[in-house]
Amino acid sequence: GNSVTQMEGPVTLSEEAFLTINCTYTATGYPSLFWYVQYPGEGLQLLLKATKADDKGSNKGFEATYRKETTSFHLEKGSVQVSDSAVYFCALGAGSYQLTFGKGTKLSVIP
Amino acid sequence: NAGVMQNPRHLVRRRGQEARLRCSPMKGHSHVYWYRQLPEEGLKFMVYLQKENIIDESGMPKERFSAEFPKEGPSILRIQQVVRGDSAAYFCASSPARGGLNTEAFFGQGTRLTVV
Repeated sequence: GNSVTQMEGPVTLSEEAFLTINCTYTATGYPSLFWYVQYPGEGLQLLLKATKADDKGSNKGFEATYRKETTSFHLEKGSVQVSDSAVYFCALGAGSYQLTFGKGTKLSVIP
Repeated sequence: NAGVMQNPRHLVRRRGQEARLRCSPMKGHSHVYWYRQLPEEGLKFMVYLQKENIIDESGMPKERFSAEFPKEGPSILRIQQVVRGDSAAYFCASSPARGGLNTEAFFGQGTRLTVV
């Protein structure tokens, strides 16, 4: 079956630090890959996506590249801000209407 | 253009009561999906509905849970005789067409159910 594994949190960084949140997946076929963000007390918002191998999704300074050879979709940002503090979920959609989510990684950015 | 609207945002129920969670999809969307987020877990698929049809309820517990999406009005997720283990955040998403979650997914803010 499909599965998503993302790095355990919580992650605490100082403002302007570099962020990497690892995400690997298992799926049959050619899934689409997503990163969602959940700010405190809010629902999920789509942060970025990639629909085929070697695609790079980007938004708000965040980037992730769809690596089929390593089945990975790591999230990166060069300089985090306090406002980036949230829970980040990696997810895949594999030829159906269901999304499979990772457990989420909580990021805290301190001034 | 309003997004996916869920209400209530917070719901407290005593064990044995019924919980009704409502979801109004985005305008023009006819496909609705319910997900449950248990504490410290990712979201898990529960059910996929179109207007007046349940397409896939494979993720929904067999007992006490039901969902509907009538021709008029919001989608309803109903939990009868709630137990403490039902405490979770329930999220609704909508899309304009089948397979839409592979291209664009719009989630509501969720309903946080607490069973006391």
